[in-house]
Amino acid sequence: GESVGLHLPTLSVQEGDNSIINCAYSNSASDYFIWYKQESGKGPQFIIDIRSNMDKRQGQRVTVLLNKTVKHLSLQIAATQPGDSAVYFCAENIGGGYQKVTFGIGTKLQVIP
Amino acid sequence: DGGITQSPKYLFRKEGQNVTLSCEQNLNHDAMYWYRQDPGQGLRLIYYSQIVNDFQKGDIAEGYSVSREKKESFPLTVTSAQKNPTAFYLCASSITAGVGQPQHFGDGTRLSIL
Repeated sequence: GESVGLHLPTLSVQEGDNSIINCAYSNSASDYFIWYKQESGKGPQFIIDIRSNMDKRQGQRVTVLLNKTVKHLSLQIAATQPGDSAVYFCAENIGGGYQKVTFGIGTKLQVIP
Repeated sequence: DGGITQSPKYLFRKEGQNVTLSCEQNLNHDAMYWYRQDPGQGLRLIYYSQIVNDFQKGDIAEGYSVSREKKESFPLTVTSAQKNPTAFYLCASSITAGVGQPQHFGDGTRLSIL
């Protein structure tokens, strides 16, 4: 079936550099996307979301880009800090009465001090 | 301080035993969800509830049961029929079950077999 996936399972970034985490999705009917951050032993934490009628959305130090043409989603983290070390995963929400959400496997971000 | 509280944090199950995982939210959210997280896999939906006194099976409901008698509570029972229950269980809630409402998660319960 259609699912959300990630290009890179592990990403190592120097502290202070920018991080880019990628996500490919296959369901063209998806119209809402969410990025979550999950630290070890904890539940996922909402970071940022974007609707399909947008191609960019910015938050505090984070930017999500959506390219519907190639079904690609990315999360950019500016000035990566040690506290950003975690697993990041994207989720897609297919429209309809019930919010069917499909979650990706996740990318582990390691910040090198 | 609003949020989702899952308890216990760690739980051990003996063979043939049913165990119940607690999930409480004080966010006044209508919708609640239970997911299972296994290494190397995305979250998989067990059950969801769009409103109190209503719940629906998710993708992997076999061996699990839920109830939604109160808006703030959505307990999950892992029955003895679930042959591979060892996993990290996550409860989530959202304002409604409609599109565009992000789900917010508790900090999970890790279930292991004795």
